[in-house]
Amino acid sequence: DAKTTQPTSMDCAEGRAANLPCNHSTISGNEYVYWYRQIHSQGPQYIIHGLKNNETNEMASLIITEDRKSSTLILPHATLRDTAVYYCILARGGQGGKLIFGQGTELSVKP
Amino acid sequence: KAGVTQTPRYLIKTRGQQVTLSCSPISGHRSVSWYQQTPGQGLQFLFEYFSETQRNKGNFPGRFSGRQFSNSRSEMNVSTLELGDSALYLCASSLEPTTSFEQYFGPGTRLTVT
Repeated sequence: DAKTTQPTSMDCAEGRAANLPCNHSTISGNEYVYWYRQIHSQGPQYIIHGLKNNETNEMASLIITEDRKSSTLILPHATLRDTAVYYCILARGGQGGKLIFGQGTELSVKP
Repeated sequence: KAGVTQTPRYLIKTRGQQVTLSCSPISGHRSVSWYQQTPGQGLQFLFEYFSETQRNKGNFPGRFSGRQFSNSRSEMNVSTLELGDSALYLCASSLEPTTSFEQYFGPGTRLTVT
């Protein structure tokens, strides 16, 4: 299974952009980058995914470097409710729905 | 549209007993996956079902089993419970195989084995 590396924890001031990095230097050409988050005591929540182009939805933006060896999840205006553990996951089609979660980044948004 | 529901939400069992957990996916979703979450091991994939067939299986002993019904509802069973099976068990559903990584999780069942 492909590996991702994320910082263990990060802080962000409320209202500021939160930039969460993920390193995936051994990513294969057909692997997508998925981001999930888990707010305390809840199930994980899907955020966004991408292959090579940058993606944006109502929750976040995903920036993938041109060589695809790293990516950044951006929460444009972090709120206290964005405090959660954020997981960067690589997924390849044909594997069904098997998500491999790492340790993730614990993001604390502070007032 | 209702989300993924799991029952029961909390459960206390004794070592050696067996337990069955239930998951109802989002309406129209045909794939259901199960995960175990513990403080030590984090989130680990158990198995995935699609069209009543197990499509993927994680690295768990045979005591862990599951099934899916024709209405896409799923159950997982753990036999001969051990203390280490205490965990949050999460169910997730997805619309179809082509979007199977975009999963929607339920709130989980908190199992405590004493």
